[in-house]
Amino acid sequence: GAVVSQHPSRVICKSGTSVKIECRSLDFQATTMFWYRQFPKQSLMLMATSNEGSKATYEQGVEKDKFLINHASLTLSTLTVTSAHPEDSSFYICSAHGYEQYFGPGTRLTVT
Amino acid sequence: AQTVTQSQPEMSVQEAETVTLSCTYDTSESDYYLFWYKQPPSRQMILVIRQEAYKQQNATENRFSVNFQKAAKSFSLKISDSQLGDAAMYFCAYQLGIAGGSEKLVFGKGTKLTVNP
Repeated sequence: GAVVSQHPSRVICKSGTSVKIECRSLDFQATTMFWYRQFPKQSLMLMATSNEGSKATYEQGVEKDKFLINHASLTLSTLTVTSAHPEDSSFYICSAHGYEQYFGPGTRLTVT
Repeated sequence: AQTVTQSQPEMSVQEAETVTLSCTYDTSESDYYLFWYKQPPSRQMILVIRQEAYKQQNATENRFSVNFQKAAKSFSLKISDSQLGDAAMYFCAYQLGIAGGSEKLVFGKGTKLTVNP
């Protein structure tokens, strides 16, 4: 089946710094990728839809200047959390649309 | 806006028995897809089963089957011969059926399934 990777799988950063998370479709091209956030014991919350070559579409309530999304190629989308704060600590999951949506393994972000 | 409701936060089942997880959804659209995803402790999302709304026949994947009631907007998942490896969070999801299928997924809050040996 189709594979989506995320890097890094875990990251710890200091408050005020920025961190970049990569989402790659390894064996297919994805014009559309999605970024989700998941708090412990909760469901996935869609943050934004990332379309190759165009600006991302953010869900209501998601700060686009804080969560920068770039989808520069058909196999790579990146999420940059700028000026991270402890409340940004969460599990971030990406998915890429091929025949269906394929999910990455997630990235656990801890902001200290 | 489309919504997905899972009314059972937790369920448990004995190994080898059958369990049914409930899901209802609300939409005014006629063309859409419904999914059940499994999220084990590793947190990797795994597609369990998919149902196209235009298909009357209920989808089946080995021990997993659905009861799709379009008029009632109900989409339950039945797991037969439950195994210890079935223990996980299960999420019901809705997707608008626009051409290409690249629409976003709307998830329910999930049901935590415990399988007792």
